[in-house]
Parts: sequence; C-alpha cells; structure tokens
Amino acid sequence: SSELTQDPAVSVALGQRVRITCQGDGLRIYYASWYQQKPGQAPVLVLYGKDNRPSGIPDRFSGSNSGNTASLTIAGAQAEDEGDYYCHSRDSSGNPSFGTGTKVTVL
Amino acid sequence: QAQLQQWGAGLLKPSETLSLTCGVYDGSLSGYFWSWIRQPPGKGLEWIGEIHHSGSTNYNPSLKSRITITLDTSKNQFSLRLSPVTAADTAVYYCAREGANSSSSPFDSWGQGSPVSVSS
Repeated sequence: SSELTQDPAVSVALGQRVRITCQGDGLRIYYASWYQQKPGQAPVLVLYGKDNRPSGIPDRFSGSNSGNTASLTIAGAQAEDEGDYYCHSRDSSGNPSFGTGTKVTVL
Repeated sequence: QAQLQQWGAGLLKPSETLSLTCGVYDGSLSGYFWSWIRQPPGKGLEWIGEIHHSGSTNYNPSLKSRITITLDTSKNQFSLRLSPVTAADTAVYYCAREGANSSSSPFDSWGQGSPVSVSS
C-alpha cells in the first residue's frame, strides 16, 4: 500500500484554481514530484523539486511544501488539465513511492 | 531528453516469466537510475525496482523475490524479468528514468507502456 495519500477526486470550474495535496512522512525529508496522466497514456512530469516545471509545462502549475504535505496548484484550470495526478517521493525505507492518485475534473 | 522505447511479450500464462526491455535513445545511461513501474487496470502506479548505471539494484520489497533488473550498456538498454507471474501481475508496465544526483529527483522520461495480461 502507498505511504503517500491523496484525495481520490477533485473538480474545478474552468478558469478557477484547484489544489491537490499529497501527505506522507517521507515528504518531511524529500520533495515530491507530480505527474499528469491521461487515459491510455504514460504519465508526464509536471512539477518537481521545490517548485520546478519541466520545459513545456505551463506556469499555471505550481508547487508548495509544508511539513508532511506537498501541494500542486493549478491556477486557471483549462480543459486539457483534466486527468489523473500522482505525487511521487520516497517512503520510510528510502524507496520510490507513488501517491494514491487524484482525478481532476474541469467543469 | 532521452527517449525510452520498450518491448516484450504481452500475453502470459500463470507461472510463466515476464520479460521486458527498455531501450534508451538520445541519451546516456550514466548518471541515472533506470526504473520499472507498473499500473494495474484502473489502479495507481507501483514502483517495481531500479538499476543504477553502475549496475547496483534496488527492488520493491513486495516483489523482490520474483524480479531481476539488468543493464546492457553495450546496447544502451535495461530489462525486467518477473517470475513466476500470476493474474495479479496483469498491468501496464512502464520503464522510466530518474536522476541520480538527488534523492528528490523525478522520473523525467517514460517509455510508452507495455500492457501485460496474465491469464490461463
């Protein structure tokens, strides 16, 4: 079972802000990375480290960290932001671990 | 950024061996961990294991007794073997690259995914 916990689903109105959280003890030590996955596709990295976006990822994606919680915020959600979002960090043994996943719906 | 292309058998019977290979193109194996990750139908991502470019490995404890990850530097590729398989191993399997310079490095390149079905 995953040691990183996420809300199963969130919805957001088009153009509004949504925050997805990831909780786990490992986040007190390691930064989280965040991935977007659309049906039938491989995950895509959207955020990593303190608040870093890979090339090509819009600046409406941002991240923050506090204690055992990492957050991904989408400011001004677009229809193409719909999908499943997974956080990734390390577990208590130092092994890579993924969050339980959050399904984002843009209304 | 490296491109990962993976291949292997997609239909297996219980007790057989899953074998997948991931080729690394437009990039070197050096300086990275190379991982296998899987996703059962309708479920989340599960890390299977990783191999460093030096050859050292690290496996998910829940799968450790059944998996082997190897590296072929001459062909710039790495492979996964999982044996014996059961229906619970049915999933899409991904290969991915993770930076080795930080414990917080992300998986920044992914293969296209290989669906594997285990059924008698």
